[in-house]
Amino acid sequence: RKEVEQDPGPFNVPEGATVAFNCTYSNSASQSFFWYRQDCRKEPKLLMSVYSSGNEDGRFTAQLNRASQYISLLIRDSKLSDSATYLCVVNPSGADKLIFGTGTRLQVFP
Amino acid sequence: GAVVSQHPSRVICKSGTSVKIECRSLDFQATTMFWYRQFPKQSLMLMATSNEGSKATYEQGVEKDKFLINHASLTLSTLTVTSAHPEDSSFYICSASWMGQGWTEAFFGQGTRLTVV
Repeated sequence: RKEVEQDPGPFNVPEGATVAFNCTYSNSASQSFFWYRQDCRKEPKLLMSVYSSGNEDGRFTAQLNRASQYISLLIRDSKLSDSATYLCVVNPSGADKLIFGTGTRLQVFP
Repeated sequence: GAVVSQHPSRVICKSGTSVKIECRSLDFQATTMFWYRQFPKQSLMLMATSNEGSKATYEQGVEKDKFLINHASLTLSTLTVTSAHPEDSSFYICSASWMGQGWTEAFFGQGTRLTVV
């Protein structure tokens, strides 16, 4: 089983739609979780950290479910500019590194 | 956010030559730097983790004699692809972070697109 798994998509949604991505992780002791965004041929950029209590930043909401070992990202009122690949990132407990998922590609159309 | 500068952004080299990629943290001291490789339409794959002043830790399947990593200071890490071959053509990205009280986010360089001809 991969350490971090994501549905690669693509998710094709119209502007204004709400879309959600899930990401599962295998190490139950993992402590830190992030969502990164990567545009085509660019470096990843941090979108948001994922806290145990969940967190919201504008149209973006991230949740952590430790019992089921997954994190989620919800995007409301999708914009064309949200089109990108969303990477789930996990720091396994005790490890000095970040593990990336394969990414989920989102395409928002007019 | 913090700035990580990676250079060069693009390089084309002949098969058999070596290429050095630099990764600098411009406004913070990076205790840990990571090197990733990304093939087209694939995810970022961690190649190695380097801590300042110590030897890099390579991921399984990554040849340490081919991908030489040096992290001599808290602001600079280099990756040298030795005797490059066409199959080494890829997008190489570094990231830098520091461990304070717990994990902090990683800041990425702009990436280096390597083409070996």
